[in-house]
Amino acid sequence: DIQLTQSPSFLSASVGDRITITCRASQGISSYLAWYQQKPGKAPKLLIYSVSTLQSGVPSRFSGSGSGTEFTLTISSLQPEDFATYYCQQLNSYPLTFGGGTKVEIK
Amino acid sequence: EVQLVESGGGLVQPGGSLRLSCAASGFTFSSYAMHWVRQAPGKGLEYVSVISSNGDSTYYANSVKGRFTISRDKSKNTLYLQMGSLRAEDMAVYYCARGLWWEPLDYWGQGTLVTVSS
Repeated sequence: DIQLTQSPSFLSASVGDRITITCRASQGISSYLAWYQQKPGKAPKLLIYSVSTLQSGVPSRFSGSGSGTEFTLTISSLQPEDFATYYCQQLNSYPLTFGGGTKVEIK
Repeated sequence: EVQLVESGGGLVQPGGSLRLSCAASGFTFSSYAMHWVRQAPGKGLEYVSVISSNGDSTYYANSVKGRFTISRDKSKNTLYLQMGSLRAEDMAVYYCARGLWWEPLDYWGQGTLVTVSS
């Protein structure tokens, strides 16, 4: 199975901050990476797929980049509604594993 | 509007069985693969299983292989997860999600909680 390691696992930031979350794969996954946002008590929501393509309706302050084994999710200016947990997922091979998550909290 | 509504969760004893359902609406059910993902209390997401759009292909995580069975009924637009030999570590919120076989999961249900305890 492909392992995904997210860092940091916890991030404290202020509204307006620029933040970056990293996702590292145990082997190359080409461009088959997605990012999800999950708020407490809610289902995950797809944000980005194919590394950098924004899902319909996702604000442009979210962006993704990377290739091979290292990927990043960036929020250019953190908004109050962005405080949540973020997960990466690889779609290169089954099982479609998830990273361990990064919880973004208000400083 | 795409909707996925899970049901069937509840309290079950270790070693017991349970069948989860996921009623789909708002899209052509038979055109999409369907997935189950679970989340133990306070933990991250764990991929469980997938079934292809026509039901011919399935995949299971090693942690549930041989104990869980995924299936779908196109006449009812419903996805199922039959769970057997349940263990404490199977306790989680179970989500169904829509997605093509090699594509991300673009719609998720609200989840149903499975509690395994004596």
